[in-house]
Amino acid sequence: DAGITQSPRHKVTETGTPVTLRCHQTENHRYMYWYRQDPGHGLRLIHYSYGVKDTDKGEVSDGYSVSRSKTEDFLLTLESATSSQTSVYFCAISVAASGGTDTQYFGPGTRLTVL
Amino acid sequence: GQNIDQPTEMTATEGAIVQINCTYQTSGFNGLFWYQQHAGEAPTFLSYNVLDGLEEKGRFSSFLSRSKGYSYLLLKELQMKDSASYLCAFTGGGNKLTFGTGTQLKVEL
Repeated sequence: DAGITQSPRHKVTETGTPVTLRCHQTENHRYMYWYRQDPGHGLRLIHYSYGVKDTDKGEVSDGYSVSRSKTEDFLLTLESATSSQTSVYFCAISVAASGGTDTQYFGPGTRLTVL
Repeated sequence: GQNIDQPTEMTATEGAIVQINCTYQTSGFNGLFWYQQHAGEAPTFLSYNVLDGLEEKGRFSSFLSRSKGYSYLLLKELQMKDSASYLCAFTGGGNKLTFGTGTQLKVEL
């Protein structure tokens, strides 16, 4: 258990509404990530963070913004949700391995449906 | 560019051995990861390879050939609970992973 929680776990919203997903970690890891997972596409990186207020874009960042004001929280915001953003969203943290490659561990996921 | 490929589906028999292949192309390479994902759940870390060769972890082993851009996950003594999607991913540096679309493994009696 990497101490990652996501909220909400399920959400149904309407097109055009703002949505914020929260990822919370308890172990002060520096790197945090947001992915979306869709059939036929696998896991795709949306945004990631390498420290408080330090974030960067992934491969599918259009329509999403993120914020990290505290080490433990990484927020993903859909400013105006669209049906194409219906997906399962996973948060991940990177755990530094002594003498080895850092490994990512995933939160339980948020299932978002945009009607 | 970067690319990663693995079969979409595989079926195997309980008690048997199955090998799931993964090929990748990238200009920078730091390591190859395998994750298991049961339906409706989060991916869970299985193994990683940084150097060429075989890494064994109980019933699961993972192999890497950096020169060929090739890896496989070997599952021995298959159990019904091994039915899941297996995700291959590489890191080219910068603490970011590029995932394949996953191989859905079905274990039958």
